[in-house]
Amino acid sequence: QKEVEQNSGPLSVPEGAIASLNCTYSDRGSQSFFWYRQYSGKSPELIMSIYSNGDKEDGRFTAQLNKASQYVSLLIRDSQPSDSATYLCAVNIGAGGSYIPTFGRGTSLIVHP
Amino acid sequence: AAGVIQSPRHLIKEKRETATLKCYPIPRHDTVYWYQQGPGQDPQFLISFYEKMQSDKGSIPDRFSAQQFSDYHSELNMSSLELGDSALYFCASSSTGGLQGTQYFGPGTRLLVL
Repeated sequence: QKEVEQNSGPLSVPEGAIASLNCTYSDRGSQSFFWYRQYSGKSPELIMSIYSNGDKEDGRFTAQLNKASQYVSLLIRDSQPSDSATYLCAVNIGAGGSYIPTFGRGTSLIVHP
Repeated sequence: AAGVIQSPRHLIKEKRETATLKCYPIPRHDTVYWYQQGPGQDPQFLISFYEKMQSDKGSIPDRFSAQQFSDYHSELNMSSLELGDSALYFCASSSTGGLQGTQYFGPGTRLLVL
């Protein structure tokens, strides 16, 4: 079992809807959590980082972290066709000064007009 | 704002040849990471450097080596290339003074081994 799990999708939502992307992780010591967006053939682009339980909002994006249940999610409000991409969840433990994140395999999001 | 720079952006090599990929981190970032991403795969961590010293090692083949120079740029040297080395290679950088573990990725080098 991979340490960071994501549903590969594709997740298809209509334009204007809320897209909900989920990620679970296995290591309870994980401290830092990241969501990256990656268009095909392009590099991952950081969308959100979250470190504490609860919600963190940035524009149309909201990250939610629940350490007790070991999951982190990303909500995209008012989804646009330009949001169509693969969303990578990354988790790192941060122990001993190491900040190497473990990536999930990504969820493909399709926003259709 | 300045971003991570990688060169070359595209590279075509034959089997058993060597390749050198370069990465220039964001100014004042002290840590560089290298990743390999095959088609449909998540980025696989290869190696990282902090203040010019190797800090972590991932799934980097013995045929590959890397270093970080005094100006903080890094080079990934790949020898005896194999067909399976064809992938996107990303460099990312971060600052230990910034948000913990926040990495910023470069545009990548697409390597094709024929």
